[in-house]
Amino acid sequence: QQQVKQSPQSLIVQKGGISIINCAYENTAFDYFPWYQQFPGKGPALLIAIRPDVSEKKEGRFTISFNKSAKQFSLHIMDSQPGDSATYFCAAYASGNTPLVFGKGTRLSVIA
Amino acid sequence: NAGVTQTPKFRILKIGQSMTLQCTQDMNHNYMYWYRQDPGMGLKLIYYSVGAGITDKGEVPNGYNVSRSTTEDFPLRLELAAPSQTSVYFCASSFSAGGGAFFGQGTRLTVV
Repeated sequence: QQQVKQSPQSLIVQKGGISIINCAYENTAFDYFPWYQQFPGKGPALLIAIRPDVSEKKEGRFTISFNKSAKQFSLHIMDSQPGDSATYFCAAYASGNTPLVFGKGTRLSVIA
Repeated sequence: NAGVTQTPKFRILKIGQSMTLQCTQDMNHNYMYWYRQDPGMGLKLIYYSVGAGITDKGEVPNGYNVSRSTTEDFPLRLELAAPSQTSVYFCASSFSAGGGAFFGQGTRLTVV
């Protein structure tokens, strides 16, 4: 079963707009939620992460919003730029030795 | 600072051949992972290791083997390659199980 459901699969946003990618999970044991950014031909790179004791984390133009009761979290990219065009993965982790589980990814295209 | 290094970057195998994908990290991370990435399917965990001498299966281990004799190296062995193993393979490492993972650049494997 898919432990982290990510949507949409692809997203086209105008330059300067807001990109929003959503993820939902079922396992209430998850306690770490990172987002990864992947450019073509490269490996994923950690972008921003949040723990469930806060509802929002902001780093520059990137913000994670976290809703513990709904078991959902989302990535917001403000003032989206063509250089943000990439595939974004949400992930989740439960304390212990179990590895991260990833969503299926969202391909973001920011057009001028 | 090399991070996670994978070799080779590209490889074409014939059905039934075997090969080893190499992965080494210089960050003294205990945790190492192998993922495969197929279009639209996200990252699927093949095997992971929580330290030298310890490995465990992930979501899609069939057709693969791993070993972890040192902290730095985590090779992935493909025995009797099949077309279904055509994919991009990523090795990753992290300091802790819940910490951000660092990914290599990937190995693009085609089985014909």
